Amino acid sequence: DIQMTQSPSSLSASVGDRVTITCQASQDISKYLNWYQQKPGKAPKLLIFDASNLEVGVPSRFSGSGSGTDFTFTISSLQPEDIATYYCQQYDNLFTFGPGTKVDIK
Amino acid sequence: QLQLQESGPGLVKPSETLSLSCTVSGGSITSSGYYWGWIRQPPGKGLEWIGSVYYSGSTYYNPSLKSRVTISVDTSQNQFSLKLNSVTAADTAVYYCARQGYWVVGGLKRKWFDPWGQGTQVTVSS
Repeated sequence: DIQMTQSPSSLSASVGDRVTITCQASQDISKYLNWYQQKPGKAPKLLIFDASNLEVGVPSRFSGSGSGTDFTFTISSLQPEDIATYYCQQYDNLFTFGPGTKVDIK
Repeated sequence: QLQLQESGPGLVKPSETLSLSCTVSGGSITSSGYYWGWIRQPPGKGLEWIGSVYYSGSTYYNPSLKSRVTISVDTSQNQFSLKLNSVTAADTAVYYCARQGYWVVGGLKRKWFDPWGQGTQVTVSS
């Protein structure tokens, strides 16, 4: 089984701040990683696929990078509508989600 | 616009079978290149993939749940279904259905879940 970890588990930042979340896989997953956004009470939404490719319609302030076991998700300028929990998900071998990072506005 | 909607009982007794359906609208469940999946989220916790089905009936499951799970498809109704037997309180969760994209070319692959249904709460309690 491939295990996924994320850090931090939660963060609070000001509007306009740069926010970075890290995701680590228990083994090499190449670039086979997606990032999802889940707003309170809503279903998750795909933001980034293949570690760094932005899904159509997703604002360019969101970005992703990494390969192998270490990945990063960045919001370049945090907006109020970005309040959500963010999950990484590997698909190299079946599917495993990370535990999530809750992002709040300070 | 493709939409998915979960349906089924919100309360299931321990040791019984949880049964949910997902109705797909705005598109065909027989579209090539797509599986159809179930994912759950226990209260206050993260996401767990349960399993996925192709319109042909081909399935694959999370090994941790495989012994208790059956996912099937009904192309005539544009629906797919989840059965989870011998449930306990640990199976209490919001259950989501989602379209699972699947793309493999040469040594490269891409898989993703989008869109998702709104989710349905299932509570296991006597």
